[in-house]
Amino acid sequence: QKEVEQNSGPLSVPEGAIASLNCTYSDRGSQSFFWYRQYSGKSPELIMSIYSNGDKEDGRFTAQLNKASQYVSLLIRDSQPSDSATYLCAVKVTSGSRLTFGEGTQLTVNP
Amino acid sequence: EADIYQTPRYLVIGTGKKITLECSQTMGHDKMYWYQQDPGMELHLIHYSYGVNSTEKGDLSSESTVSRIRTEHFPLTLESARPSHTSQYLCASSEYVGDGYTFGSGTRLTVV
Repeated sequence: QKEVEQNSGPLSVPEGAIASLNCTYSDRGSQSFFWYRQYSGKSPELIMSIYSNGDKEDGRFTAQLNKASQYVSLLIRDSQPSDSATYLCAVKVTSGSRLTFGEGTQLTVNP
Repeated sequence: EADIYQTPRYLVIGTGKKITLECSQTMGHDKMYWYQQDPGMELHLIHYSYGVNSTEKGDLSSESTVSRIRTEHFPLTLESARPSHTSQYLCASSEYVGDGYTFGSGTRLTVV
């Protein structure tokens, strides 16, 4: 089992819809969780971080963390074509001091 | 605005050449990382450093080497480039262990 797993893509949503991206992790002691956006040919960009259970909102983005169920999700409201990118989930697992990245979910927002 | 810089942005080089990919950051971060990423594929950690004179190999075996003589500088060297080294190389840094990383723009390396 991989330490960090993301729902397999690609995910396609119409413009204006809510895009839901999911990530599960295996280390129950993980404390820090991050979402990165990576446009094709570009480097990852940190868009959200979350450390405690519940929701964290930043503009159109909401990160949700449920440590009991060991999942973290990213909701993108009012999706725009400019949101089309690969989204990477990253987790700081307790067995190491580095972030562990998921494989990413490719999102396409159709006009 | 990016505070972590990678040069060159693109590099095409012949087999057998020695190359150094540069990475510098102005944020004073102790933690720095090198990742390798093929197009459409996941990130693979190849080297990391938690401070000056501290370097470790990452999860993916790599023929490259790194050094950390100054806090702000973390160059990656390939002694003899091969076509299998063709990839994108991403440098990142963080202030504390467990912080989110800031990535540089990357170096896209092609070995012919």
